[in-house]
Parts: sequence; C-alpha cells; structure tokens
Amino acid sequence: QSALTQPASVSGSPGQSITISCTETSSDVGSSNFVSWYQQHPGKAPKLMIYEGRKRPSGVSNRFSGSKSGNTASLTISGLQAEDEADYYCCSYGGSSTSWVFGGGTKLTVL
Amino acid sequence: QVLLVESGGGVVQPGRSLRLSCAASGFSFSSFTMHWVRQAPGKGLEWVAVISYDGSDKYYADSVKGRFSISRDNSQNTLYLQMNNLRVEDTAVYYCARGGSPSSASFDDWGQGTLVPVSS
Repeated sequence: QSALTQPASVSGSPGQSITISCTETSSDVGSSNFVSWYQQHPGKAPKLMIYEGRKRPSGVSNRFSGSKSGNTASLTISGLQAEDEADYYCCSYGGSSTSWVFGGGTKLTVL
Repeated sequence: QVLLVESGGGVVQPGRSLRLSCAASGFSFSSFTMHWVRQAPGKGLEWVAVISYDGSDKYYADSVKGRFSISRDNSQNTLYLQMNNLRVEDTAVYYCARGGSPSSASFDDWGQGTLVPVSS
C-alpha cells in the first residue's frame, strides 16, 4: 500500500479556515471512499472526526469537513478555535490488502 | 457510552513476550471488528492488527507479522494482543480501537492506550 503525505504543520488565526491535505502516491485515495481523519491532543487518544471521506460522526462539529480531489483528500476546519489546536492524521484503507495506512500527521497551531 | 480500557503494558526486554488486553463495554462487543494501533514516542500512528467480529479473520501489518497475534474473547468482551520476540522498535503506546461499519473502515472509538517500552 502507498504512503499518505501530509504537511508537517499548518497554522491559522481564530475564526479563519484552514485545510490539511493528504496525498497518496497511488490511485487508492482517488478510488477509495475509505478515508478517515483523526484529531489527537497531546497525551490523549485519537478521535474520529471524518469517515468515508466526508461524513461526520455524531457529536463532531460541522466546522469540520472532508473532501477529495484526485489522489488528495482534504480536511477543512472553518471558524478556527483555540481547542482545535492538535495533531491531525488521515488514514486510508487498502481494500484488497486488508490493511490501513496513516499519514504522518499535521500539527495545527492556532495563532 | 463506549469504553475501551487497555492494560498489560510495561517495560520488557528485547526478545521477550507480552500480552496486552482491552476490556470493552458500552456496546455489543461481539458485533464489531476490533483493531490495535500503536504510536511510538513522538511519532505518528501505525495500524498493527485487526480481527473480525467473530475472530475468524485476522490481518497484520508487515512490521509485526509472524511475531504478534490478535485474538478476542466475546464472552468476556475482551480483545488481546500477544506480542512475541519484541524489538526496541516496538516501543510505543498501544491503543485498541473499535472498527466502524464495513462501509467506513474507520476507527470509531479508542482506548486511552498502554505504554510498552522495549529496552534492555
């Protein structure tokens, strides 16, 4: 399964919007609906924020949205808040290989 | 609500074995796929293994294949990870996670993790 590439860091001011990209070297992201996104605060367990590329679990703010274009999936956070400062990971399911791969993670800083 | 509690972590020497447990509550454990995911200190997340709802299917990351074994006891609502021939590079926080629906392939809920330092 191919690797998922995320930017190491992104930043934004409160109230702004930011987008975190997740690019796969093969066509898997483009053809797969199995992309999910996780938020992790320091010292805490990850939390599911987006599944199937664009769906939000119950309880997750609608400020979080997911999308994809070609081989790149994206997580957009609108109306940035201080509590959004965390690490974010994308994940793709390999399908036929029955394996999962995570991106390297993106540290979001709210200025 | 869903609660996943890992246990069994601790310092272990290279080459030795360790078994992790994950006690589940708040959902129908026997109906869900379960995973182990790990995170080395200061590093990103790495998927380790998955087991189907009834334990009939198991899959592993290449990095642990042949050394780790995932299992479950649905009568006790408990997930296990048997780790043999441990290496220094297996040092990580190990999380158990509940799988999502078959159509989502996501990790819907996570435990708090248990730390496994492998060191001589």
